[in-house]
Amino acid sequence: QVQLVESGGGVVQPGGSLTLSCAASGFIFSSYGMHWVRQSPGRGLDGVTFIGHDGGNKFYGDSVKGRFTISRDNSKNTLYLQMNSLRSDDTAVYYCAKLGSAWDVDFWGQGTLVTVSS
Amino acid sequence: QSALTQPASVSGSPGQSITISCTGTSSDIGGYDYVSWYQQHPGKAPKLMIYEVTNRPSGVSDRFSGSKSGNTASLTISGLQAEDEADYYCSSYTSKNILVFGGGTKLTVL
Repeated sequence: QVQLVESGGGVVQPGGSLTLSCAASGFIFSSYGMHWVRQSPGRGLDGVTFIGHDGGNKFYGDSVKGRFTISRDNSKNTLYLQMNSLRSDDTAVYYCAKLGSAWDVDFWGQGTLVTVSS
Repeated sequence: QSALTQPASVSGSPGQSITISCTGTSSDIGGYDYVSWYQQHPGKAPKLMIYEVTNRPSGVSDRFSGSKSGNTASLTISGLQAEDEADYYCSSYTSKNILVFGGGTKLTVL
């Protein structure tokens, strides 16, 4: 069965950096695009970034452009999110999410909490 | 402010039907048939309920159905059950290639 397991969340000071990882299993990782989606406490869902199946195409939301970098290692079945210049409004649960057949997300990880606070 | 507009809350009694709307523009919902709906229970990850406007993934009850007219998509839940109480989010493709969501609708089963 498909499994997505995020790690790397924690508490970081404003202006700091953090790298999230997502270990994928149960499907052919190299064949699917992947998203990072975040959810601030008590708030709705927010698409952060997307990477194509081979890493050739990357897209970012306006609020993270220039600060966050998405990447993947298909040999390790792992997705990454490098987050720099973190701000308090980046505080959220970050979900790793697998692209489905029609620009949907058919599987989600359990999420990892990132807290930006001094 | 979310890209897509949903009502903040809806409610219904067990056995009844409810509909949640999701309004966008011609650049998202109106321009593509890539609308999806997600159910999220407290403390849990979202779950895909509808994709490509009307399709249900395997294992999702046929009490859930989706539709679209112009720039507005809708999710209908028939025969409401207590377990349907959750937050529901719509999403659509846009040319930005980033997932855009509605603000979410809290469904209360009375």
